[in-house]
Amino acid sequence: DIQMTQSPSSLSASIGDRVTITCRASQSISGHLHWYQQKPGKAPKILISVVSSLESGVPSRFSGSGSGTHFALTISSLQPEDFATYYCQQSYTPPYTFGQGTKLEIK
Amino acid sequence: QVTLKESGPALVKPTQTLTLTCTFSGFSLGTSGMRVSWIRQPPGKALEWLARIDWDDDKFYTPSLKTRLTISKDNSKNQVVLTMTNMDPVDTATYYCARIHINNVFDYWGQGALVTVSS
Repeated sequence: DIQMTQSPSSLSASIGDRVTITCRASQSISGHLHWYQQKPGKAPKILISVVSSLESGVPSRFSGSGSGTHFALTISSLQPEDFATYYCQQSYTPPYTFGQGTKLEIK
Repeated sequence: QVTLKESGPALVKPTQTLTLTCTFSGFSLGTSGMRVSWIRQPPGKALEWLARIDWDDDKFYTPSLKTRLTISKDNSKNQVVLTMTNMDPVDTATYYCARIHINNVFDYWGQGALVTVSS
């Protein structure tokens, strides 16, 4: 199985801050890396697919980057609705593994 | 408009078999390229991918649970069914079904079904 390791596991930040969450794969996954946002009691929602493609309706303050084994999700200016848990996921090969999640909290 | 909804028992006893149904609309699993997966999330923990079924009836399972899982589909009912045998309290989780779109992205998710395993 391909292991996905996110860091940090949790992050406290303020409105307007720029934050970056990283995701590392245990082997190269090319561009098969996606980011999801999950709010309490809700299903995850796709934010960014194939490293950097913003899904429809997702604000442009979200961006993704990376290749091979190292990837990042950046939020350029945190808004109140961005406080949630974020997961990376690889779809290079089954089993499709997720990172352990990064909980973004208000400072 | 794509929607998915999970249904099944909220409570199962240890050693029992869990059967969950995902009923969807807005797409057909009979269409080339369409796929549906099951994913679960124990309370307070991360997401875990379980299984996938494709339009051509190809099936994939997470290796650690492969012997306990069966995924199937009924195109006439727009349903995907997941069975998990020999349930244990560690299997307590919210179980989601999700459509898989191009690039194997989970683009639409059901609301989730919480399953508790307890005697």
